[in-house]
Amino acid sequence: DQQVKQNSPSLSVQEGRISILNCDYTNSMFDYFLWYKKYPAEGPTFLISISSIKDKNEDGRFTVFLNKSAKHLSLHIVPSQPGDSAVYFCAAANYGGSQGNLIFGKGTKLSVKP
Amino acid sequence: EAGVVQSPRYKIIEKKQPVAFWCNPISGHNTLYWYRQNLGQGPELLIRYENEEAVDDSQLPKDRFSAERLKGVDSTLKIQPAELGDSAVYLCASRRTGRSGYTFGSGTRLTVV
Repeated sequence: DQQVKQNSPSLSVQEGRISILNCDYTNSMFDYFLWYKKYPAEGPTFLISISSIKDKNEDGRFTVFLNKSAKHLSLHIVPSQPGDSAVYFCAAANYGGSQGNLIFGKGTKLSVKP
Repeated sequence: EAGVVQSPRYKIIEKKQPVAFWCNPISGHNTLYWYRQNLGQGPELLIRYENEEAVDDSQLPKDRFSAERLKGVDSTLKIQPAELGDSAVYLCASRRTGRSGYTFGSGTRLTVV
């Protein structure tokens, strides 16, 4: 049973427009959420995170929104750039408990077209 | 700060042969993870170390996989014997204690033929 779900395998966006990547989770014990970006032949790179006590975190062009009641988070990229084309993974952890393991979704491949 | 270093980057072996992967985490990072990523999937945890202690190896196929982290720094992951289904990217990651993200290495892409 997948605890972290990314239901869109791919997303295509025009350069300059907004990219919205979605993620749903089932475990209410998760208290920390992260987004990673992965280019081919490289390991995942940390992008942005959010604690469960917040509903929004912003870093430059990247904003993560958390809706705990819906167990849903999203990553907004504004404006999107061709260099943002990569696979984006949503991940969650229960750092407040005894387990600090990140659980990953299957990823969404973002393509930003010039 | 140097990143997480993994070697080799690529490995091709015949089935039933042994293989080993090596990871050097970021200095001062107490927690080390080995993940496996199959094609089209997200990374899945194999084992987690807190210093030199394996605190979660519930997902490690212990009949053929083994890992060690001597002196709480470098770690090796071994498969013996390898099977065709072991073909994947093996990722090592590390982090400090507390609420922080992981830093991943570039991974080792294993192909078993």
